[in-house]
Amino acid sequence: KAGVTQTPRYLIKTRGQQVTLSCSPISGHRSVSWYQQTPGQGLQFLFEYFSETQRNKGNFPGRFSGRQFSNSRSEMNVSTLELGDSALYLCASSSSDEQFFGPGTRLTVL
Amino acid sequence: QKEVEQNSGPLSVPEGAIASLNCTYSDRGSQSFFWYRQYSGKSPELIMFIYSNGDKEDGRFTAQLNKASQYVSLLIRDSQPSDSATYLCAVMTGNTGKLIFGQGTTLQVKP
Repeated sequence: KAGVTQTPRYLIKTRGQQVTLSCSPISGHRSVSWYQQTPGQGLQFLFEYFSETQRNKGNFPGRFSGRQFSNSRSEMNVSTLELGDSALYLCASSSSDEQFFGPGTRLTVL
Repeated sequence: QKEVEQNSGPLSVPEGAIASLNCTYSDRGSQSFFWYRQYSGKSPELIMFIYSNGDKEDGRFTAQLNKASQYVSLLIRDSQPSDSATYLCAVMTGNTGKLIFGQGTTLQVKP
């Protein structure tokens, strides 16, 4: 089985711009969770989607949003980028409790 | 108090020794516990998960859970230099899809 894929792998944006990241889960997995990883805060939960519905949301501002499509692929969007949004964004797919991470998207905001 | 706490390390052990990594959590309702390994510049890789009190073994790895003490640990037997990485403890409460991670413990295995 192919693993979790994320695109793009690297992204450079400037403050005020918006960005869309994509995640394709493992075939058959219907749940996709998104996380932000920074050196200072570690891994923090953004949100989780299951069958196109957001089931859970972390403590991030409304600039962070996501969606899931009928084929379980998911996207997350960050609007009005800030310098502090520079991070590794990880998605994880699961069919039960165990989550399997993709390679991540490294976002740099200048 | 952080929800999931780990000693950041580094924990240094000689090759062939047992490495012991520890994690405490604050939410008594937590039901699922996970250990991930993360190499520098890579994404986390699931090593083990445990749901019930006691020990669970998988090859050189043993996860131990004590819900009364709100404590979970990971033992790595016969440690190898390739085990050098950051080990992340994660906890889930219910089937929420939300993992709460500790800050991770850096393990160094010296040849």
